[in-house]
Amino acid sequence: AQSVTQLGSHVSVSEGALVLLRCNYSSSVPPYLFWYVQYPNQGLQLLLKYTSAATLVKGINGFEAEFKKSETSFHLTKPSAHMSDAAEYFCAVRAGGQNFVFGPGTRLSVLP
Amino acid sequence: DTGVSQNPRHKITKRGQNVTFRCDPISEHNRLYWYRQTLGQGPEFLTYFQNEAQLEKSRLLSDRFSAERPKGSFSTLEIQRTEQGDSAMYLCASSLGLELNEQFFGPGTRLTVL
Repeated sequence: AQSVTQLGSHVSVSEGALVLLRCNYSSSVPPYLFWYVQYPNQGLQLLLKYTSAATLVKGINGFEAEFKKSETSFHLTKPSAHMSDAAEYFCAVRAGGQNFVFGPGTRLSVLP
Repeated sequence: DTGVSQNPRHKITKRGQNVTFRCDPISEHNRLYWYRQTLGQGPEFLTYFQNEAQLEKSRLLSDRFSAERPKGSFSTLEIQRTEQGDSAMYLCASSLGLELNEQFFGPGTRLTVL
């Protein structure tokens, strides 16, 4: 069975600082991995996805993530945080079928 | 804007009542998904349609839950005899029927069962 863990339910960074949101997955087959962002009162929006091509994936709004098979990780990073990045971030895995498994989410706060 | 829409956005009901939610996907999308999200958790997969066919159902989907997509366009999710534990955000998403196409999410319907 697939599962996703996200270390840290709440992460705070200063504006301009590095953003690092952690995601580890468990999958019995080669996974497809996703990061979504959710702003208050809005639907989830896809940031980026890994589909077994390049291990370093670039997404929207300056975010990127690196797939590391040996560590079963897919951490999300952004070099410089902006106030508008404050939101909830979800990592998800799809391994077979159309059943997407989401992690519990990490709430990112950006301090001025 | 032709994104995924969900109605109603909020629903308050008393325990034991039936409720029905509607999802209108992006028009050309043939895949439609329902998820449930509780506070502090990520979305949990409930069910998935390819056109009008319901192809996957989670074990979370008890007999009180039923979903339809009669003409392969909009979908409804009905919960019968609601329980307080059904209180959650119900999310709908749609995608094109291609491998790993992005799911576009609606804003959700927040259900409160008193």
